[in-house]
Amino acid sequence: EPEVTQTPSHQVTQMGQEVILRCVPISNHLYFYWYRQILGQKVEFLVSFYNNEISEKSEIFDDQFSVERPDGSNFTLKIRSTKLEDSAMYFCASSGRTGVGETQYFGPGTRLLVL
Amino acid sequence: DAKTTQPNSMESNEEEPVHLPCNHSTISGTDYIHWYRQLPSQGPEYVIHGLTSNVNNRMASLAIAEDRKSSTLILHRATLRDAAVYYCILRSTYNAGNMLTFGGGTRLMVKP
Repeated sequence: EPEVTQTPSHQVTQMGQEVILRCVPISNHLYFYWYRQILGQKVEFLVSFYNNEISEKSEIFDDQFSVERPDGSNFTLKIRSTKLEDSAMYFCASSGRTGVGETQYFGPGTRLLVL
Repeated sequence: DAKTTQPNSMESNEEEPVHLPCNHSTISGTDYIHWYRQLPSQGPEYVIHGLTSNVNNRMASLAIAEDRKSSTLILHRATLRDAAVYYCILRSTYNAGNMLTFGGGTRLMVKP
């Protein structure tokens, strides 16, 4: 069964450093998402992406964040200058279509720790 | 998206049915009811969704009240692997970005 994959599974970085989290969505999917979950808290939406453009973003997704689909398979989330509060689990998701009935498929996540 | 209310936690015995309730009294006519679950240390996973009629799939059943102000996710025979946080989420037709808005969910514990 096709699945969303994410690398790395864990990342430790120093405050102020740039990190890039990578995702390979399901191959025929067109809609891509990033969510995050701070330890012990809710899963929060960050951004959705379609046709090489951001469709929607939350207030968390400020100028320090960016997303890119650099080739036909990868979808990346860059945090330009990490802060301690960026420590969280980051989940990538993809879906084959849009609409209220569509299913989002999530990856296993990247655990980011900012020291 | 309209708000949902779920119990913080529930317990079940293995191989017994589990009924996970969700209240959504402010649901609008075009909101779909989705359920996702999150197993420990994993990403969320789709379970089931519906609009008005009850729905069944290989994972679970979804029973939707006639007035749509509540719904119940039914696991017919709980296994240890079903221990997870279950999220009831309303999806609005007018949600342009199609994001999922997760609440706190119900933490299901399954006892052997």
